[in-house]
Amino acid sequence: DAGITQSPRYKITETGRQVTLMCHQTWSHSYMFWYRQDLGHGLRLIYYSAAADITDKGEVPDGYVVSRSKTENFPLTLESATRSQTSVYFCASSETERGIYGYTFGSGTRLTVV
Amino acid sequence: GENVEQHPSTLSVQEGDSAVIKCTYSDSASNYFPWYKQELGKRPQLIIDIRSNVGEKKDQRIAVTLNKTAKHFSLHITETQPEDSAVYFCAAPMDTGRRALTFGSGTRLQVQP
Repeated sequence: DAGITQSPRYKITETGRQVTLMCHQTWSHSYMFWYRQDLGHGLRLIYYSAAADITDKGEVPDGYVVSRSKTENFPLTLESATRSQTSVYFCASSETERGIYGYTFGSGTRLTVV
Repeated sequence: GENVEQHPSTLSVQEGDSAVIKCTYSDSASNYFPWYKQELGKRPQLIIDIRSNVGEKKDQRIAVTLNKTAKHFSLHITETQPEDSAVYFCAAPMDTGRRALTFGSGTRLQVQP
């Protein structure tokens, strides 16, 4: 769906650098999520947000920072990238009216840390 | 928090056969169980879901069954076609305090023509 977009689609960065992955949705959905996808682990929740200025940790939050100053944006920052953070990152959103678990995912960002 | 286990990790079937993927969950309070399909290089997309007040839900060739007593739910695909080839993920609510989903590890389904 064009309503949730992630950027960049591909990113290569060096160990120790800070990198920010962007997520933007046009529906004004309340909930937004960041997952990472690694072979054999499925999708693991990094952080999520229930509304602007409300964020909470997921299963694997270490090394990541999020913010949500506006409802439509939910950037994910790797403060000091490590090789173990090489992964595909998916952003998702959902709306409470339709059901908080009715996720729509973005197209993903493939991040490689060298 | 919820723990979701998914089996098998890979499944190969002949076109026209049925495929079944099973997930177990740990939290008896979980009340929503979706299935997502992810084609190669694409995003996961919701294909069917079931709530704990029903035992089965069908949508054309796909169905999901839920056994609350045994704490497992299954995805059934009948008359498989090559375009069904993908990775399938089950999920369940992470816990009552965090309104997010926890996912199984995925099943790679390959439909042989």
